[in-house]
Amino acid sequence: DVVMTQSPLSLSVTLGQPASISCRSSQSLVNREGITYLNWFHQKPGQSPRRLIYQVSNRDSGVPDRFIGSGSGTDFTLKIGRVEAEDIGVYYCMQGSHWPRTFGQGTRVEIK
Amino acid sequence: EVQVVESGGGLVQPGRSLRLSCTASGFTFDDYSISWVRQAPGKGLEWVAFIRNQVHGGTTEYATSVRDRFTISRDDSKSIVYLQMNSLKIEDTALYYCTDYTFWGQGTLVTVSS
Repeated sequence: DVVMTQSPLSLSVTLGQPASISCRSSQSLVNREGITYLNWFHQKPGQSPRRLIYQVSNRDSGVPDRFIGSGSGTDFTLKIGRVEAEDIGVYYCMQGSHWPRTFGQGTRVEIK
Repeated sequence: EVQVVESGGGLVQPGRSLRLSCTASGFTFDDYSISWVRQAPGKGLEWVAFIRNQVHGGTTEYATSVRDRFTISRDDSKSIVYLQMNSLKIEDTALYYCTDYTFWGQGTLVTVSS
């Protein structure tokens, strides 16, 4: 199975400041068609997850443009341009290029 | 409005079986491939199983931890996806979500305990 490793596992951020989460895969996520299926999800406390980003850098409908996904191969990053109060919760990366699909451990974001 | 509702969870003894259902509405269910994702209490997300739509053969994929014990299936006439869980283990205790990654239900809780 592809192992997804996120860092840091916990992040304390000042409102209005940027935040960055790293996600590394144990093997390349570029599939046979040359597409990289790397997703980012956000789970607020007590809620179901919500996908923010798909295929590395594409924002889902309604996702604010302060969320930016980037990366390639085995190294990926989710950046939050200026953290807002509603951004607290846990962020997960998930690879969709290999079976079985696998999630990272999650990164908990809190406000200082 | 797109909606999925998971049901069928409950308390079950180790080694027993349980069948979860995911009932969908508000979209053309036949077009979608569906996954089950679970979350143990206080833990992270774990991908469990996947079923393709019929256009792509309706074939299935499983996590290593549940392969040979869980079976995912679908009934497009009823817009339902099932997860048959056999030989349940304590470590299967979790909130089980039905999703295509853009929509998520509220989950159904499975507790495996003697």
